[in-house]
Amino acid sequence: QVQLQESGPGLVKPSETLSLTCAVSGYSISSGYYWGWIRQPPGKGLEWIGSIYHSGSTYYNPSLKSRVTISVDTSKNQFSLKLSSVTAADTAVYYCARGRGGSPAPFDPWGQGTLVTVSS
Amino acid sequence: DIQMTQSPSSLSASVGDRVTITCQASQDISNYLNWYQQKPGKAPKLLIYDASNLETGVPSRFSGSGSGTDFTFTISSLQPEDIATYYCQQYDNLLPYTFGQGTKLEIK
Repeated sequence: QVQLQESGPGLVKPSETLSLTCAVSGYSISSGYYWGWIRQPPGKGLEWIGSIYHSGSTYYNPSLKSRVTISVDTSKNQFSLKLSSVTAADTAVYYCARGRGGSPAPFDPWGQGTLVTVSS
Repeated sequence: DIQMTQSPSSLSASVGDRVTITCQASQDISNYLNWYQQKPGKAPKLLIYDASNLETGVPSRFSGSGSGTDFTFTISSLQPEDIATYYCQQYDNLLPYTFGQGTKLEIK
């Protein structure tokens, strides 16, 4: 059974870089699938941030593309998110998820999510 | 961006009721439409993929239909454990993948 677990700082200062990691268990990332990040501001809806194929090909939300980097570390069986120049608008629960089948979406399964607050 | 318009934004129904949520895409997305259930404090869970395919392990009271721009999600007989917020999500070739604004389902 595939399981995903997000980790990283819960508090980031404005203008700094948000860094999160998603550890995958029960499946080897190098074997395939897309792996993605989705976020949800408190009390609001869901926003897709971007996805990465196991080979390293990336797809980003154009609205965030200039600030986002998603990378994969097959040796550690994990993938990561970096979001630069953060503001309060980036405060959200950040989820990692696997793409189903041969596409970045649908997203299944999901990690439990981690709240990141941007504040000085 | 492809806009996904979900309605209603909230819904109150009784146990045993048939519940229907609609999702309209701003352009043709074929059947690249998924439905998720999110319970409070939890991650979303995939229920329906490609408009009408039931994810393994999901009760058969959940169903989806539609293609092109108009989609429907139905719970045939509402159960207490179905209380959640439901989201549609499109994944057409045109990025970004986008979600509807959600439908909060409550028990009367």
